[in-house]
Amino acid sequence: DAGITQSPRHKVTETGTPVTLRCHQTENHRYMYWYRQDPGHGLRLIHYSYGVKDTDKGEVSDGYSVSRSKTEDFLLTLESATSSQTSVYFCATGSGQYTEAFFGQGTRLTVV
Amino acid sequence: GQQVMQIPQYQHVQEGEDFTTYCNSSTTLSNIQWYKQRPGGHPVFLIQLVKSGEVKKQKRLTFQFGEAKKNSSLHITATQTTDVGTYFCAAVVNFGTGTSLTVIP
Repeated sequence: DAGITQSPRHKVTETGTPVTLRCHQTENHRYMYWYRQDPGHGLRLIHYSYGVKDTDKGEVSDGYSVSRSKTEDFLLTLESATSSQTSVYFCATGSGQYTEAFFGQGTRLTVV
Repeated sequence: GQQVMQIPQYQHVQEGEDFTTYCNSSTTLSNIQWYKQRPGGHPVFLIQLVKSGEVKKQKRLTFQFGEAKKNSSLHITATQTTDVGTYFCAAVVNFGTGTSLTVIP
């Protein structure tokens, strides 16, 4: 597997608090993605990045923001966490837009 | 974006039976990828199909891309307990909802 590290792996937070999830890669991949996985919905794209400081919205971007100041790091921020954002979050990377994606181990976030 | 629908959502099979999952799109796809996610794990890339009518095999797994490049299938012959997991198709960055496969020993 590609060197993709997500942190934290588990987090419980309260409604209304900001939360930041981090994805770190050692593969020098240009593309990075944040997905959320919920039962019955598969993997839904939140935001993605196609280079440093170049990001775009995915299917379910409301309530989320991202930043990429370095090739290796892609941060996902929940500006004010809600219970509907309880989910498993996966980071993925790829060398190109049409190449295979490599996934991190996931972060299980619970908003109470 | 290129959206894909995947069926069935769940499939239970006896060990040794065959299994097929289907991926459909209303638009022509540039390519289709397949991933497997073991329970508690993360999605792992299996294969990518690019050409119209393409068929690729990996041991007991057969992947097909439709002639119109609007559908794809993954067929597993003689399932084993190691095949348990959720299989996803993906069109560029968009994933299908997945098919969860349970294999009954």
